[in-house]
Amino acid sequence: QVQLVQSGAEVKKPGASVKVSCKASGFTFTGYYLHWVRQAPGQGLEWMGWINPNSGGTHYGRKFQGWVTMTRDTSISTVYMELNRLRSDDTAVYYCASQYCSGGRCSTWFDPWGQGTLVIVSS
Amino acid sequence: QSALTQPASVSGSPGQSITISCTGSSSDVGAYDYVSWYQQHPGRAPKLIIYDVINRPSGVSNRFSGSKSGNTASLTISGLQAEDEADYCCTSYTNNTWVFGGGTKLTVL
Repeated sequence: QVQLVQSGAEVKKPGASVKVSCKASGFTFTGYYLHWVRQAPGQGLEWMGWINPNSGGTHYGRKFQGWVTMTRDTSISTVYMELNRLRSDDTAVYYCASQYCSGGRCSTWFDPWGQGTLVIVSS
Repeated sequence: QSALTQPASVSGSPGQSITISCTGSSSDVGAYDYVSWYQQHPGRAPKLIIYDVINRPSGVSNRFSGSKSGNTASLTISGLQAEDEADYCCTSYTNNTWVFGGGTKLTVL
């Protein structure tokens, strides 16, 4: 069963950093790109960037460049998203989502998704 | 990258059909046939229901269909059922990035 399982909720103070994990199971971890998408309370989804677990290569959305870091540990099929200098408006549910790639070609959609990790930023 | 534009809410009665629009630009929706749609129930992760404008993943009801004209993509749900009440969000690939719509809340009356 293809599944992404994320780490638990976090509460952080403004200015701190948060690191969220996303563990893959049931599929070849390195055959996918893993994306991070966030959703602020009552708001729509916002794409943050992706990591290629095979190479470690990353691509971040312009808004998040210099602010987010995505890494991976292939030995445990896990990717991480670290967001620095947190502000209150970073309060959101953070999702990882997978993009299938094969033979140098990738899908353009996300499936499956992790269950989401709530990050609350509050003093 | 600007978000795609969706109506904030739509509603319909059981058995009826509704359509949700997703308007972008010639750089995203209009440039690629890479629009996907996601259904999201409260407190749950998004679920893929349409990909590449018109395709349904295995297991998704054929009551869901997608289309595109110019810079606007659309999701149609026919034969509305109570379980369809959820948020629906579109996204489009563009230049190695993805842009999402603001989401539409569907109420089944």
